Amino acid sequence: QPVLTQSSSASASLGSSVKLTCTLSSGHSSYIIAWHQQQPGKAPRYLMKLEGSGSYNKGSGVPDRFSGSSSGADRYLTISNLQSEDEADYYCETWDSNAWVFGGGTKLTVL
Amino acid sequence: QVQLVQSGAEVKKPGASVKVSCKASGYTFTSYGISWVRQAPGQGLEWMGWISAYNGNTNYAQKLQGRVTMTTDTSTSTAYMELRSLRSDDTAVYYCAREPLPTGSLPHDYWGQGTLVTVSS
Repeated sequence: QPVLTQSSSASASLGSSVKLTCTLSSGHSSYIIAWHQQQPGKAPRYLMKLEGSGSYNKGSGVPDRFSGSSSGADRYLTISNLQSEDEADYYCETWDSNAWVFGGGTKLTVL
Repeated sequence: QVQLVQSGAEVKKPGASVKVSCKASGYTFTSYGISWVRQAPGQGLEWMGWISAYNGNTNYAQKLQGRVTMTTDTSTSTAYMELRSLRSDDTAVYYCAREPLPTGSLPHDYWGQGTLVTVSS
């Protein structure tokens, strides 16, 4: 089964941009992933599906500030013009062998 | 609009069982599956298993095999997750999440609000 590796934390200033990374384990570099956002005390929210080609499809109502890209086994979530409400945990997930797998999550702090 | 509304918080003793519900609205229930995902305090997301609302097929995470049962009631568009032989490390917020069919083709696109299950003597 694939392993999804995420940095435990990241920080960036209000109004700036940040790029979060989800890395697929060896042998799984072509896999499609999804990004989810979890604001403090809330349920996760689906942000987008992201393919190995870099093509992505966002969920309903997700702001244009959120975009995705890919390079090899790395899947990126870029948030532009950071807002205070973007301070949240961000999780990636993928599917393999009849099971969903989540990354450990990245806690984003907006300074 | 798509909504998944879960049942309220539960407090259970070790060894007991809990059954959490997830009522769907705003879409054709039988055209999707429902996954259950839990989150222990301060921890990440853990996938527990999945049920197809189309035909009732299930697939459970290996570590929960034998303790978890997922069902659906298509007449009320409700999914259920029952966890037995509860232990303290089952204390978590339990989420249901909608999953397009066939399973694995597309990611979870809507989530319930979560149900806190506390296991304590």
